[in-house]
Amino acid sequence: DTEVTQTPKHLVMGMTNKKSLKCEQHMGHRAMYWYKQKAKKPPELMFVYSYEKLSINESVPSRFSPECPNSSLLNLHLHALQPEDSALYLCASSQETENTEAFFGQGTRLTVV
Amino acid sequence: SQQGEEDPQALSIQEGENATMNCSYKTSINNLQWYRQNSGRGLVHLILIRSNEREKHSGRLRVTLDTSKKSSSLLITASRAADTASYFCAPDFHSGGYQKVTFGIGTKLQVIP
Repeated sequence: DTEVTQTPKHLVMGMTNKKSLKCEQHMGHRAMYWYKQKAKKPPELMFVYSYEKLSINESVPSRFSPECPNSSLLNLHLHALQPEDSALYLCASSQETENTEAFFGQGTRLTVV
Repeated sequence: SQQGEEDPQALSIQEGENATMNCSYKTSINNLQWYRQNSGRGLVHLILIRSNEREKHSGRLRVTLDTSKKSSSLLITASRAADTASYFCAPDFHSGGYQKVTFGIGTKLQVIP
């Protein structure tokens, strides 16, 4: 199994809603990542988890709350988002925390209305 | 900014021709990775080249790295219509022992059948 699975594939939410994005990998990878990608832009790193601990937070607003319940799962909890948060949210994982390729999921297309 | 910068931003070639994309970055790196993204989908890892390597091959792909010039290139030989995609370089900068893969703006490649 060399896949990173993200659910849901599409999500429409209102500005007062609370929702969660989920990411799962069964490759035994020790590092997991969240990226945000706006249209026609490169992915921007949001968070890095290493051995289930948050190691990098790229000054992301608190309305985005990551969680790593175990080594295979990574969640991104969303609350009180703004329309400008609409984007493709990508999850990735890598074997180690340095010098290894990152495998990406297909992303969740989020629309905030 | 620590991310890489690709050149050109857009490239259109005929099937069978070679495509060359360049990437420049500003600070020292652990490694540099190249990814491909089809429209609106997840990223696919192509090649990882370490800072002590100068050239790497994978099928029709050839990547070079010149750390003295802080630059890398991706060559796709004998291009096919299926190679149409956006290509991103992703320098992995030293970040306290954690992999911090950040993406450049990308090169949008169109291969015309």
